[in-house]
Amino acid sequence: DAGITQSPRHKVTETGTPVTLRCHQTENHRYMYWYRQDPGHGLRLIHYSYGVKDTDKGEVSDGYSVSRSKTEDFLLTLESATSSQTSVYFCAISESREPGELFFGEGSRLTVL
Amino acid sequence: GQNIDQPTEMTATEGAIVQINCTYQTSGFNGLFWYQQHAGEAPTFLSYNVLDGLEEKGRFSSFLSRSKGYSYLLLKELQMKDSASYLCAVRDSNYQLIWGAGTKLIIKP
Repeated sequence: DAGITQSPRHKVTETGTPVTLRCHQTENHRYMYWYRQDPGHGLRLIHYSYGVKDTDKGEVSDGYSVSRSKTEDFLLTLESATSSQTSVYFCAISESREPGELFFGEGSRLTVL
Repeated sequence: GQNIDQPTEMTATEGAIVQINCTYQTSGFNGLFWYQQHAGEAPTFLSYNVLDGLEEKGRFSSFLSRSKGYSYLLLKELQMKDSASYLCAVRDSNYQLIWGAGTKLIIKP
């Protein structure tokens, strides 16, 4: 199994507070992704990174920011959490762009009250 | 727009065979993936198709027809542990993955 861990695994917070989710990998993979998963929807890409300090937006990036200062760490920040950001967040890594199969972290369940 | 369609839920019997279909309309095509996701867990990679035809891997096989925008995942000799959601994803021309909502497979004894 790919060495990828997420923290925290569970978090409950209040509307308007900042939240940071961390993804850490030990595989030295170049590509890292943040997805959210909600009932009735496919996985939706929030942001991704193709190298240290190289990041780009996904389809649902509004309200989220990311940073990647080291190969192994990819942080997702909700500057001011809203109830619509209640979700399960998955980090994923891939070694290359092709074939580019993803390896996922265990997920972080975030509840915004 | 881009779209991946798969059935929401399917039921099958232990020991039987089940086929989960996936149809897609995307901006370009650079491969199709199947993932398995048990409840409360992370998705795990099952298969990858980029050329037409059948890819077999043990009890699981995946088929692709690019001209029809169609794929299926075939699971043989079903076991109770195969109860899970199966996610279809297509990589588009920008190398972004477009995901279906998943098919929940229920296995009955």
